[in-house]
Amino acid sequence: EVQLVESGGGLVQPGGSLRLSCAASGFTFSSYWMNWVRQAPGQGLESVANINEDGSAKNYVDSVKGRFTISRDNAKNSLYLQMNSLRAEDAAVYYCAGDQMGYWGQGTLVTVSS
Amino acid sequence: DVVMTQSPLSLPVTLGQPASISCRSSQSLVNSDGNTYLNWIQQRPGQSPRRLIYKVSNRDSGVPDRFSGRGSGTDFTLKISRVEAEDVGVYYCMQGTDWPATFGQGTKVEI
Repeated sequence: EVQLVESGGGLVQPGGSLRLSCAASGFTFSSYWMNWVRQAPGQGLESVANINEDGSAKNYVDSVKGRFTISRDNAKNSLYLQMNSLRAEDAAVYYCAGDQMGYWGQGTLVTVSS
Repeated sequence: DVVMTQSPLSLPVTLGQPASISCRSSQSLVNSDGNTYLNWIQQRPGQSPRRLIYKVSNRDSGVPDRFSGRGSGTDFTLKISRVEAEDVGVYYCMQGTDWPATFGQGTKVEI
């Protein structure tokens, strides 16, 4: 059974940092592009970043460029999102998703507030 | 960015009756590899998203055959042949042809 389990969310002040993690199991993690997708409260879905199979190619949505960094550790079947200089508009549930959004985790909530 | 536009945004349905959602993209979703990366995503209340359909018309494993997808180029449709109570939720079309992957606004299906 495919499982993606996110962790690392929480309450952070504007300007602060968080590191999200996603633990994958049940599929060959190293064979797939992986994504971070977020959903602000009551809103739709927004792609944040993605990374190719070996981590050599990364893409970011314009609003997070220079602030967020996506990475992966295929030996640990894990995906990460380092989020710096957080803003109120970054508050959302962050989902880890793989294989052209065929696999989704349960999400982790990031709240940005003073 | 590719803009995905869905209609309607709200869809009242009757159990056992068909339902249909349209999705239009601002540019062709045909990729250089010949594939069209148009997916349909379901999000039931309080749950994570779940992909139903990939590459226009392919059902994911475990998805009931009452769900079907069709279309080409810039115009796509999700059809539910006979709505069941468990189909309540928000449905998104999503393109994965260009980065960033973009989603439609969502169509809320309610009984």
